[in-house]
Amino acid sequence: DAGVIQSPRHEVTEMGQEVTLRCKPISGHDYLFWYRQTMMRGLELLIYFNNNVPIDDSGMPEDRFSAKMPNASFSTLKIQPSEPRDSAVYFCASSKDREETQYFGPGTRLLVL
Amino acid sequence: QKEVEQDPGPLSVPEGAIVSLNCTYSNSAFQYFMWYRQYSRKGPELLMYTYSSGNKEDGRFTAQVDKSSKYISLFIRDSQPSDSATYLCAMSDLNTNAGKSTFGDGTTLTVKP
Repeated sequence: DAGVIQSPRHEVTEMGQEVTLRCKPISGHDYLFWYRQTMMRGLELLIYFNNNVPIDDSGMPEDRFSAKMPNASFSTLKIQPSEPRDSAVYFCASSKDREETQYFGPGTRLLVL
Repeated sequence: QKEVEQDPGPLSVPEGAIVSLNCTYSNSAFQYFMWYRQYSRKGPELLMYTYSSGNKEDGRFTAQVDKSSKYISLFIRDSQPSDSATYLCAMSDLNTNAGKSTFGDGTTLTVKP
């Protein structure tokens, strides 16, 4: 298996622009997670899905952030409008059933100028 | 106060040393404990997991859980420069939050040759 796939790997944008991050989980995994990692705040869970349904979005910082999972093999995290404080590495992870072992993607490094 | 506390370090040791990494937690419902390793500019990868109190060994790595003290440890024997990474503990309550893990902020380890 190719593992969790994320795109783009790097994104540089200007404040106010819309940013869309993409994730393809491992085939057969029922859970999908979006995390944000910064030096100051560590690894933060933003939202997670089970069978394409959002279960907990309490970590989504503001209404500027939205996430969708239209099918079992694809999810997006959108930031609109983006701000410099959104600069971070965004990870997508997936896991199977209740095993709890999460497999992380390589991350998207976002820089908002 | 965070549910999971982890000393961020950094921790620097000479090659061959025994390394001890630790986390404390406050939620007594946590029952599944994990250690992830994250190399620079990569996503976290699962190193070890355990369900119960006691020790679990895998090669040079030993995970230890003390539920009575709400304290978990990861020991690395004969540390190697390739062990240089950030180590994150994570834990879950499978009964009430299936699929969701709470992560520590990570400890950065450098093993000097």
